[in-house]
Amino acid sequence: DTEVTQTPKHLVMGMTNKKSLKCEQHMGHRAMYWYKQKAKKPPELMFVYSYEKLSINESVPSRFSPECPNSSLLNLHLHALQPEDSALYLCASSRTGADTQYFGPGTRLTVL
Amino acid sequence: ILNVEQSPQSLHVQEGDSTNFTCSFPSSNFYALHWYRWETAKSPEALFVMTLNGDEKKKGRISATLNTKEGYSYLYIKGSQPEDSATYLCAFIVVTDKLIFGTGTRLQVFP
Repeated sequence: DTEVTQTPKHLVMGMTNKKSLKCEQHMGHRAMYWYKQKAKKPPELMFVYSYEKLSINESVPSRFSPECPNSSLLNLHLHALQPEDSALYLCASSRTGADTQYFGPGTRLTVL
Repeated sequence: ILNVEQSPQSLHVQEGDSTNFTCSFPSSNFYALHWYRWETAKSPEALFVMTLNGDEKKKGRISATLNTKEGYSYLYIKGSQPEDSATYLCAFIVVTDKLIFGTGTRLQVFP
């Protein structure tokens, strides 16, 4: 199983809502990532979890809160987002930090 | 700020043509370089992980070379097919865990 799954596929939320994005992999990978991708731009790294511990936070605003409940799951909790946060949010995992990353299909987020 | 540049930004070729694109990255503190293919409405898919200066990797009609001293990598596609149409992304790793993606080359192959 080389699949990374993400739910939901699409999410529309208001600026006062609280929602969560979920990511799951069963490849035994110990590194998991959140990326943000805006149209016609490359993916931008947001967070990295290594062995279930947050190892990189790319100065992401606190309205984005990552969580790694176990080695297979990665969540991104969203609260009080702004319309400019609308983007495709990609999750990825890799065996270790430098290895090939396997990406999920992404969650298309729209903030109204 | 580390910049990873790719050129050209977009490319239109006829089926059967061979093509190549460039990824330029900082030559200091090199750790690894990845190439990914990203088709519309799909997840980015890994093509190559390259770590050593002079590395050459091949996967079917696609191959890549790496020059870490001058900070560039080339991706070649031989005999392009319509199914090769995608955005090709390179990603530079400066420390473990952290990928910095290039701007991408959007390839369209016309039958």
